[in-house]
Amino acid sequence: GENVEQHPSTLSVQEGDSAVIKCTYSDSASNYFPWYKQELGKGPQLIIDIRSNVGEKKDQRIAVTLNKTAKHFSLHITETQPEDSAVYFCAVISSGSARQLTFGSGTQLTVLP
Amino acid sequence: DAGVIQSPRHEVTEMGQEVTLRCKPISGHDYLFWYRQTMMRGLELLIYFNNNVPIDDSGMPEDRFSAKMPNASFSTLKIQPSEPRDSAVYFCASSVGTGYNEQFFGPGTRLTVL
Repeated sequence: GENVEQHPSTLSVQEGDSAVIKCTYSDSASNYFPWYKQELGKGPQLIIDIRSNVGEKKDQRIAVTLNKTAKHFSLHITETQPEDSAVYFCAVISSGSARQLTFGSGTQLTVLP
Repeated sequence: DAGVIQSPRHEVTEMGQEVTLRCKPISGHDYLFWYRQTMMRGLELLIYFNNNVPIDDSGMPEDRFSAKMPNASFSTLKIQPSEPRDSAVYFCASSVGTGYNEQFFGPGTRLTVL
């Protein structure tokens, strides 16, 4: 089955700096790559996603890049704010997995004021 | 819309007892997913339904776990008998159409089995 590795597991940045979280996946047939944000005591919430026919997608301070050849994708958060502090999960859907999301292990992002 | 509703939010029970977790998906959503989250194993898909029919239950850990969806607005996840290693946060999520659409997660049920 699909294997998703996420790094780093923890990340601390100063407010205003950028944060980058990376994920690699194993199945070359994977074609959908969402990122979820989980705040303390809440369920994960989709913040951005990208499909395999696109190399980059941006939404205000958040961007995701995809390298299908290398089988990795990254989340970029610019001008970080304290409210960006949360756990971030990458996920992957493979074309043969019938809509099942396989999640990475998560990154605890802390934005220091 | 109120979003995905789960109950109870917290459950503390003793080993061997039956536990039932409940979920109300967002109206109009035709996919419903049950996940388990632990520190050791992260977020794992247990089972998912399409139009109330179970599609894939390969993530259900043991026969002690069962899930039902009697109608489009209600699903249950039952553990009988419960064991301490079942302690986790259980999430229900729903979505419209294919998996390439956003899954909306509920707030979760934190289960503690003593």
